[in-house]
Amino acid sequence: KAGVTQTPRYLIKTRGQQVTLSCSPISGHRSVSWYQQTPGQGLQFLFEYFSETQRNKGNFPGRFSGRQFSNSRSEMNVSTLELGDSALYLCASSLTQVGVAYTEAFFGQGTRLTVV
Amino acid sequence: KNEVEQSPQNLTAQEGEFITINCSYSVGISALHWLQQHPGGGIVSLFMLSSGKKKHGRLIATINIQEKHSSLHITASHPRDSAVYICAVRGKGQFYFGTGTSLTVIP
Repeated sequence: KAGVTQTPRYLIKTRGQQVTLSCSPISGHRSVSWYQQTPGQGLQFLFEYFSETQRNKGNFPGRFSGRQFSNSRSEMNVSTLELGDSALYLCASSLTQVGVAYTEAFFGQGTRLTVV
Repeated sequence: KNEVEQSPQNLTAQEGEFITINCSYSVGISALHWLQQHPGGGIVSLFMLSSGKKKHGRLIATINIQEKHSSLHITASHPRDSAVYICAVRGKGQFYFGTGTSLTVIP
């Protein structure tokens, strides 16, 4: 079956702009979680969506937001981009909520965002 | 303080060597993942553990829940094993990640 699909793979934006990233989970998976990876901070949890509701949120400013649609596809939005938002953004899908049950998580290839 | 500590940060090995990467964590967890990331970014989940030991080919992962410690072993290492290996624990509704171990296997 198809894996986790993230689009676009690469993106260049100007400081102050906003950006929307997309994640299509594995068919049947209802949980999508998002992560930011930077050379300095490593991988950090952004938020998790399950059944169209945000279930958990990491320690990121309100400029980072997301949503999940009824088909479980998820989007992540970053407004008023800053240079420090340049990172690889990864999403992962799983059948159930992260931390609730013993279930495999599958990662996408990521979207590499560069803010100039 | 990081919830997940990994060691070593960098590792260079000769082809064929036995490799061990360690992970210690401080939070209560429901599962621990070992992830592999090649240059280019994509992450692959190698193992998910909640107890005991798992083996997949030349890779072995163990976890000791009481000691809050896990190890990833690679037997007969090969240059294609060169990658960053990341320990991730799942607890309190989110993943916590180690900083990764960058492994280079020299032919």
